[in-house]
Amino acid sequence: GDSVTQMEGPVTLSEEAFLTINCTYTATGYPSLFWYVQYPGEGLQLLLKATKADDKGSNKGFEATYRKETTSFHLEKGSVQVSDSAVYFCALTSGGYQKVTFGTGTKLQVIP
Amino acid sequence: EAGVAQSPRYKIIEKRQSVAFWCNPISGHATLYWYQQILGQGPKLLIQFQNNGVVDDSQLPKDRFSAERLKGVDSTLKIQPAKLEDSAVYLCASSSQRQGVSSGANVLTFGAGSRLTVL
Repeated sequence: GDSVTQMEGPVTLSEEAFLTINCTYTATGYPSLFWYVQYPGEGLQLLLKATKADDKGSNKGFEATYRKETTSFHLEKGSVQVSDSAVYFCALTSGGYQKVTFGTGTKLQVIP
Repeated sequence: EAGVAQSPRYKIIEKRQSVAFWCNPISGHATLYWYQQILGQGPKLLIQFQNNGVVDDSQLPKDRFSAERLKGVDSTLKIQPAKLEDSAVYLCASSSQRQGVSSGANVLTFGAGSRLTVL
């Protein structure tokens, strides 16, 4: 079945550091790929998405590129802020009913 | 637009008791999902409805969990009897995606979740 693998956390960075959170996937067909974010005390919300190979999703300074050849969708940000502290989930959708499969999440803590 | 509403936000029960969670999705969203999120893990799909029909309940422990979406709008998830390992946050999400209708990526909108503690 479909699966998503994320790098283990927690990740602790200083403010203005560069962020990469790795995500690889296994899926049949041509999935759409997503990053969702969960801020402390809040529900999950969409951060960015990409629907086909070589698409780049971007939002709030975060970017991720759909790499079919490496089955990856790594999340990057050039300069993190304290307000980016959250749990980040990589996800994919596939199949006729567009089932959504999530990774285990990566907790990011940004310190001033 | 109003978001996905869930209640209660918190519930503490003893093992073998029952509990029910309610979800009201975004108006007009055909698809509704219930996920279980155990601390430190990613959300696990329990059941997916399209309108009032079940399209995936393969990971729902049917001996103790049940869910319904009678009129294709709001939904209830029930656990009876609860076990210690059911302690988790139960997330409801909805999307406008319909099978066979190409409308771009299937983006889910989540509620705030219902945190269950089983003692």
